[in-house]
Amino acid sequence: DTEVTQTPKHLVMGMTNKKSLKCEQHMGHRAMYWYKQKAKKPPELMFVYSYEKLSINESVPSRFSPECPNSSLLNLHLHALQPEDSALYLCASSQEGSPRGYGYTFGSGTRLTVV
Amino acid sequence: GENVEQHPSTLSVQEGDSAVIKCTYSDSASNYFPWYKQELGKRPQLIIDIRSNVGEKKDQRIAVTLNKTAKHFSLHITETQPEDSAVYFCAACNQGGKLIFGQGTELSVKP
Repeated sequence: DTEVTQTPKHLVMGMTNKKSLKCEQHMGHRAMYWYKQKAKKPPELMFVYSYEKLSINESVPSRFSPECPNSSLLNLHLHALQPEDSALYLCASSQEGSPRGYGYTFGSGTRLTVV
Repeated sequence: GENVEQHPSTLSVQEGDSAVIKCTYSDSASNYFPWYKQELGKRPQLIIDIRSNVGEKKDQRIAVTLNKTAKHFSLHITETQPEDSAVYFCAACNQGGKLIFGQGTELSVKP
């Protein structure tokens, strides 16, 4: 399995809702990442987990809460989002704790719309 | 701060022509430079990458060159085809292990 799987593919949520995005990989990668991407803009790094520990938090608002239950799974919990949070949320993983490692792979993303 | 500049922001070529996209980076300790192609509504896909101990790498119609002294690297696509139309992002991996992306180039290949 050489894929990073993200669910759901699409999500529409109200500003008062709580929802979660899920990312899964079974490649034995030890680093996992969350990115936010607006249309035709580069991905913006949000969080990095290395060996199941949060190693980078790019000053992301607390309405986004990451969780890494085990080495294969990464969640992003969403609460009280704003319409400007609507974007494509991408998960990625890499073999080592850095994109320099081989096998850096993006998931297919979750298209989030906040209404 | 760390920065990657990418040019041009849009590029239109005729099918069969070559396309060149250029990036410069600010962190001289960067040592890994991937290029991603992103079609509308899809994930960024790695198309080629180069590490700092190599000056050039080629894969069929795609090549990347790296000039460490000048801190710039370029993507070359030859014999372009309509299916090459997409947004292309360069990136540089800094010493802290973060990928710093360029702002993207929207390539349009006209049949």
